Amino acid sequence: DSGVTQTPKHLITATGQRVTLRCSPRSGDLSVYWYQQSLDQGLQFLIQYYNGEERAKGNILERFSAQQFPDLHSELNLSSLELGDSALYFCASSPTGGDSYEQYFGPGTRLTVT
Amino acid sequence: ILNVEQSPQSLHVQEGDSTNFTCSFPSSNFYALHWYRWETAKSPEALFVMTLNGDEKKKGRISATLNTKEGYSYLYIKGSQPEDSATYLCAFSSNQFYFGTGTSLTVIP
Repeated sequence: DSGVTQTPKHLITATGQRVTLRCSPRSGDLSVYWYQQSLDQGLQFLIQYYNGEERAKGNILERFSAQQFPDLHSELNLSSLELGDSALYFCASSPTGGDSYEQYFGPGTRLTVT
Repeated sequence: ILNVEQSPQSLHVQEGDSTNFTCSFPSSNFYALHWYRWETAKSPEALFVMTLNGDEKKKGRISATLNTKEGYSYLYIKGSQPEDSATYLCAFSSNQFYFGTGTSLTVIP
């Protein structure tokens, strides 16, 4: 158990809908990262937040947005969902915003868009 | 999009064998190189983070080296055990994170 929690564990929804994935980092960690793993692709970095501020952005679609709240939990919002958005979404946390720290991954949220 | 390549794609070794994998990455704009161990149906687990050219890290029977000038890192497993069976992922950190597709290791008892 990494100490990072993600809810829900599974989510099934229809095309065109909007969903919110939630992540709570390890106690004391200030940075949260979001990743997507699709069937036909490896792990893709979406976005990083550090202490409430966006720090780095990867291949995140405009239909997707994220935020980190004052209690440091983070939410990833996915809207106008398409079949291709079906994937496993991981959240990870690390102590600071720097790249030289280990990231601790949560168990993931499996999103299925039908 | 930067290219992070891992080789081999998969590997089968006998218990007790030592093995190594390669991660190749761009040698410019380097911040850090991460190695992860990813077992089926679980989440990636951090093994090492390396930042300096020539870095060597070790955790038990697993060790890693880093060459940022030529853009590669090696992961070594000494005396492989069945519980080492997993996918080993590397990630290159520049202004964001770029993952390789992993090396799938199967250790045969």
